[in-house]
Amino acid sequence: GAGVSQSPSNKVTEKGKDVELRCDPISGHTALYWYRQSLGQGLEFLIYFQGNSAPDKSGLPSDRFSAERTGGSVSTLTIQRTQQEDSAVYLCASSLTGLSNQPQHFGDGTRLSIL
Amino acid sequence: SQELEQSPQSLIVQEGKNLTINCTSSKTLYGLYWYKQKYGEGLIFLMMLQKGGEEKSHEKITAKLDEKKQQSSLHITASQPSHAGIYLCGADGGGSNYKLTFGKGTLLTVNP
Repeated sequence: GAGVSQSPSNKVTEKGKDVELRCDPISGHTALYWYRQSLGQGLEFLIYFQGNSAPDKSGLPSDRFSAERTGGSVSTLTIQRTQQEDSAVYLCASSLTGLSNQPQHFGDGTRLSIL
Repeated sequence: SQELEQSPQSLIVQEGKNLTINCTSSKTLYGLYWYKQKYGEGLIFLMMLQKGGEEKSHEKITAKLDEKKQQSSLHITASQPSHAGIYLCGADGGGSNYKLTFGKGTLLTVNP
């Protein structure tokens, strides 16, 4: 597609449930990133993919969070046993390469609310 | 770790006025990125600056990078209601250090 596509746009779930968030990057972009945006913390890096590999998972807040990318394209961020502090907007971005001189282009995000 | 401080945190201007938003880094700036965000939407890429003294313009928005001061500024000339939103600066660590660190954002309101 023309831009980064994320689904669902909104997700409301009960504490303790698992959720899956999907990101479809810009076609041809090898680098994919997940960020989280919350009121108190601002925008925080979660994980970076280069192709299907994730060389940097340093931003994942706990082992309840995992992500995968298949076919060098679509990525899924999974949160297990959700907690209320997981409520945030989850943003996905992609760039042509993982080099620092390439701008990252963001999707509209998934707004996650944990009841 | 790198920290970015944006000022002001919020700004209300009358349509037609000029304004400046600043972004100051705690460390050397390599790549500096400006984004705009509207509520419920993602970040829209505005400009990328990489070299000290670099200046870029797009329509009525100009961004500059002062490498020595570890600072970037975003200037809007003759503001319009369409300029309203949250402006975020982001910085990378250079080379293959791809992940962006962001400032807290500046909320801009433009009154007609």
